[in-house]
Amino acid sequence: KQEVTQIPAALSVPEGENLVLNCSFTDSAIYNLQWFRQDPGKGLTSLLLIQSSQREQTSGRLNASLDKSSGRSTLYIAASQPGDSATYLCAVRFQGGSEKLVFGKGTKLTVNP
Amino acid sequence: DAGITQSPRYKITETGRQVTLMCHQTWSHSYMFWYRQDLGHGLRLIYYSAAADITDKGEVPDGYVVSRSKTENFPLTLESATRSQTSVYFCASSQFLGEKLFFGSGTQLSVL
Repeated sequence: KQEVTQIPAALSVPEGENLVLNCSFTDSAIYNLQWFRQDPGKGLTSLLLIQSSQREQTSGRLNASLDKSSGRSTLYIAASQPGDSATYLCAVRFQGGSEKLVFGKGTKLTVNP
Repeated sequence: DAGITQSPRYKITETGRQVTLMCHQTWSHSYMFWYRQDLGHGLRLIYYSAAADITDKGEVPDGYVVSRSKTENFPLTLESATRSQTSVYFCASSQFLGEKLFFGSGTQLSVL
């Protein structure tokens, strides 16, 4: 079964800290992987999309890496701010004819001032 | 404003009633999706559409009906609502499969 796992479910850090969020997936045959941010009571916002041929993508203070062979992706957030507090989800589009993204359950990040 | 909008934002209904959730996007994206988000299950795909008049089932389609007569609209109907359909429903769109996915703000549905 194709699954996506995010550990830990929750993370609390002090402001200014650099942090890494983890995402693991069960099958290395993927098309791409997306990282999303979800604020309470809101929809998801796509942060970064990494194609299977890429190793990483960067946007501002965010850097996402992809290691297909080990079935892992990380989202690195530099110099965290209280405004980064949200739930971060990763989603994988697996090969094999499926039209759907498989979502992890997310990591709830709290950045304390 | 451009984007993807869902209505209503909140809905309370009773078991057995028919409910329609609306989704409208202004980008003319080809693909549209309906997800439900539940604690413990995360996001699960209900139905998706690759273009007008083309729809297909996702992971949890039972009890739901969709249509897509126009590219910009993708309504989701619960034919006879059940308590297990209490959830937050998200509509999403993308121009092509595998591209960035854009989500609406969601509809919080309670079935009493």
